[in-house]
Amino acid sequence: GAVVSQHPSRVICKSGTSVKIECRSLDFQATTMFWYRQFPKQSLMLMATSNEGSKATYEQGVEKDKFLINHASLTLSTLTVTSAHPEDSSFYICSARDRDRHYEQYFGPGTRLTVT
Amino acid sequence: QKEVEQNSGPLSVPEGAIASLNCTYSDRGSQSFFWYRQYSGKSPELIMFIYSNGDKEDGRFTAQLNKASQYVSLLIRDSQPSDSATYLCAVNFSYGQNFVFGPGTRLSVLP
Repeated sequence: GAVVSQHPSRVICKSGTSVKIECRSLDFQATTMFWYRQFPKQSLMLMATSNEGSKATYEQGVEKDKFLINHASLTLSTLTVTSAHPEDSSFYICSARDRDRHYEQYFGPGTRLTVT
Repeated sequence: QKEVEQNSGPLSVPEGAIASLNCTYSDRGSQSFFWYRQYSGKSPELIMFIYSNGDKEDGRFTAQLNKASQYVSLLIRDSQPSDSATYLCAVNFSYGQNFVFGPGTRLSVLP
């Protein structure tokens, strides 16, 4: 149980294009999902918190117009990187909180984005 | 400012030894504590969580929590080379709130 999937696992896109990443909780309901970014050899950086049916809460310094988050259902959240630039190349990881399991967080496998 | 601190390492232990990973946190009222393992290029994987003072054991892993001293530790018995990874400590400062992650400790188990 407690499986979180992400799609795609890897994506290469050209500068200026947009990329959508999906995060799904497969066997539990996730009232809250989180989006993280991780650069090589660095720690996880929380980008935003999304609650089902409401607007995402972005961390300081994260541009909400650039990183669009939608959490339309209890099992799906999406992150869209708009007008991507090479500096957006990173490892994007989502996690989901299981509301029935003491608020443990489970991570998806991550999406490696490369912007050329 | 809620903070979680870990020694970045690397911590090197020989195969078969006990690896001890430590984590301190800033808020005395913190509720729950989690240890994640992250292999290079992969996402974090939940190993254990602990809510109450004392020890919690799961296989080769033991989590130890001391709320008065505001630290939580993870012991790995009979360490294996496959345990070599970065271990992340996460603290849930209050229920319903986001976790705060420490920077992680890199563990290297030498064959």
